[in-house]
Amino acid sequence: GESVGLHLPTLSVQEGDNSIINCAYSNSASDYFIWYKQESGKGPQFIIDIRSNMDKRQGQRVTVLLNKTVKHLSLQIAATQPGDSAVYFCAENGGSQGNLIFGKGTKLSVKP
Amino acid sequence: NAGVTQTPKFQVLKTGQSMTLQCAQDMNHEYMSWYRQDPGMGLRLIHYSVGAGITDQGEVPNGYNVSRSTTEDFPLRLLSAAPSQTSVYFCASSYSLGAGTVIYEQYFGPGTRLTVT
Repeated sequence: GESVGLHLPTLSVQEGDNSIINCAYSNSASDYFIWYKQESGKGPQFIIDIRSNMDKRQGQRVTVLLNKTVKHLSLQIAATQPGDSAVYFCAENGGSQGNLIFGKGTKLSVKP
Repeated sequence: NAGVTQTPKFQVLKTGQSMTLQCAQDMNHEYMSWYRQDPGMGLRLIHYSVGAGITDQGEVPNGYNVSRSTTEDFPLRLLSAAPSQTSVYFCASSYSLGAGTVIYEQYFGPGTRLTVT
């Protein structure tokens, strides 16, 4: 889920398939994690969150998995739809005073 | 609830000009923050506030000032605009348990696209 330079990692999936977006977080002391979705021209929108005392949390068509051992977070989207096309960011509360630190994002493209 | 609102939506400035980006929220959130978003850089924290009268610097505070006189409003001031400040600016707010504790889910405004020539 990390980008180099100006290029975002891109994930392209077929409509109806499942999508998995990965993120490596930076601070081992972080205990709260969020996934955001950002559509073109809009602000980030909350999808799902998870606390460090859990390793899995499910929402509607989305699941977040947390692996604290390797500092890894993933977002699974079931039956991906064209409306899921967006940039997805992970965030951790590893900044000073619990401020969120955001990953650089992954662009999800859904092919009809 | 209107949520988090930002004005203006678009702005073009000349180098050296100053301006204020407005942000307001009607959710009675203690915590408010400003981010800038540049291509391939994700969101970077400029300034934040854990309550009225309290502000602090984030990751990239240089060239920006903030104030928090009320719970609802958190304006961001560009003192002397520079081309390096061309970016999209987002304001966000959330509940928190107070300074030094977890910041919960943040609600974002629609953004202000700023170009400095």
